[in-house]
Amino acid sequence: GAGVSQSPSNKVTEKGKDVELRCDPISGHTALYWYRQSLGQGLEFLIYFQGNSAPDKSGLPSDRFSAERTGGSVSTLTIQRTQQEDSAVYLCASVAGGGQETQYFGPGTRLLVL
Amino acid sequence: GENVEQHPSTLSVQEGDSAVIKCTYSDSASNYFPWYKQELGKRPQLIIDIRSNVGEKKDQRIAVTLNKTAKHFSLHITETQPEDSAVYFCAASETSYDKVIFGPGTSLSVIP
Repeated sequence: GAGVSQSPSNKVTEKGKDVELRCDPISGHTALYWYRQSLGQGLEFLIYFQGNSAPDKSGLPSDRFSAERTGGSVSTLTIQRTQQEDSAVYLCASVAGGGQETQYFGPGTRLLVL
Repeated sequence: GENVEQHPSTLSVQEGDSAVIKCTYSDSASNYFPWYKQELGKRPQLIIDIRSNVGEKKDQRIAVTLNKTAKHFSLHITETQPEDSAVYFCAASETSYDKVIFGPGTSLSVIP
């Protein structure tokens, strides 16, 4: 079946512009994560959606970052007034839930802020 | 909250040798410990996981051991091959509804 998809695959923007990154999780999956990965670095947790619970936003680095998950499915990560240090690969992962805890990662969006 | 540490950060082994990566966690309530492999330029993928009700799990050349008393778990890869070269991440969580916490990763290089 279809896996996790993300769009766009690459995004180049100018400093100060806003960007929206989209994640389409596997259908029926109840949980969704967003991570940021800089070149050669680890998985920096950003935000976690679990079912209808309030999202865990503890990893968002500043108030320029926000995310929403509409209808328990598609999620959008928005970065306002982008800075050069926001340049990274943004990965999302979905989890089936119900005892199935494997995270299925999307291919990522590579963001470059000039 | 949970904190996961991972060692070493980089590891080089000769093809055919074994590789061991160790992780420690802080929350004694954690009971699920997955390992993910991320090849260069690709997305992370689960390779093996273990729950706290077992001490060891094997899948072909890969094994994971868990010591709940000491709060550490390890990944063992035997007969390493060049295609094992990747970054490996350990992780921990309390329940299937809790956030998974990742370690910082280990970059493994298998030298032919």
